[in-house]
Amino acid sequence: EVKLLESGGGLVQPGGSLKLSCAASGFDFSRYWMSWVRQAPGKGLEWIGEINPDSSTINYTPSLKDKFIISRDNAKNTLYLQMSKVRSEDTALYYCAVYDGYVFAYWGQGTLVTVSA
Amino acid sequence: EILLTQSPAIIAASPGEKVTITCSASSSVSYMNWYQQKPGSSPKIWIYGISNLASGVPARFSGSGSGTSFSFTINSMEAEDVATYYCQQRSSYPLTFGAGTKLELK
Repeated sequence: EVKLLESGGGLVQPGGSLKLSCAASGFDFSRYWMSWVRQAPGKGLEWIGEINPDSSTINYTPSLKDKFIISRDNAKNTLYLQMSKVRSEDTALYYCAVYDGYVFAYWGQGTLVTVSA
Repeated sequence: EILLTQSPAIIAASPGEKVTITCSASSSVSYMNWYQQKPGSSPKIWIYGISNLASGVPARFSGSGSGTSFSFTINSMEAEDVATYYCQQRSSYPLTFGAGTKLELK
């Protein structure tokens, strides 16, 4: 069974930084593209970016490219999202997802990030 | 960036009623997916590649379309279909989602 467990969310001050993790199990993590998607409270889904299996290709949505960094550690079966210069509009539930090149096939339960002073 | 415009934003349907949601793309796309999200839960892939049902999705659901116009249909509404549905394109970066259509039971 595929499991994705996000962690690292919490309260962060505006301008601050936070690193999210996504622990994967139940599949060969090192063979799959992975993505981060976020959802602001009561709002829709926003794709943040993706990383390929060997980390040689990372794509971001343009508006977040200078703030967020996606990385992975295949030895630890873990995906990361380093967030910096956060603002109130970054308050959201952050999901990691397995992206098979066609669909977001599996999703975690999300970790909530709240940006507030 | 390809913008996806879903309509309606909210729709209420009675059991047995046919439901249609549309997704209009700002540029032509060749591959459209639909996700279902129930309150308090993560999204699930529901329809992929315009018209293919994901595993376990009932046959009352269907998808169609091409170019810039796509639709998502439920032939006969059931209570368990109450959810928000999102379209998503993967034809060009950045990957984008529609704003969602909230389906309620009348």
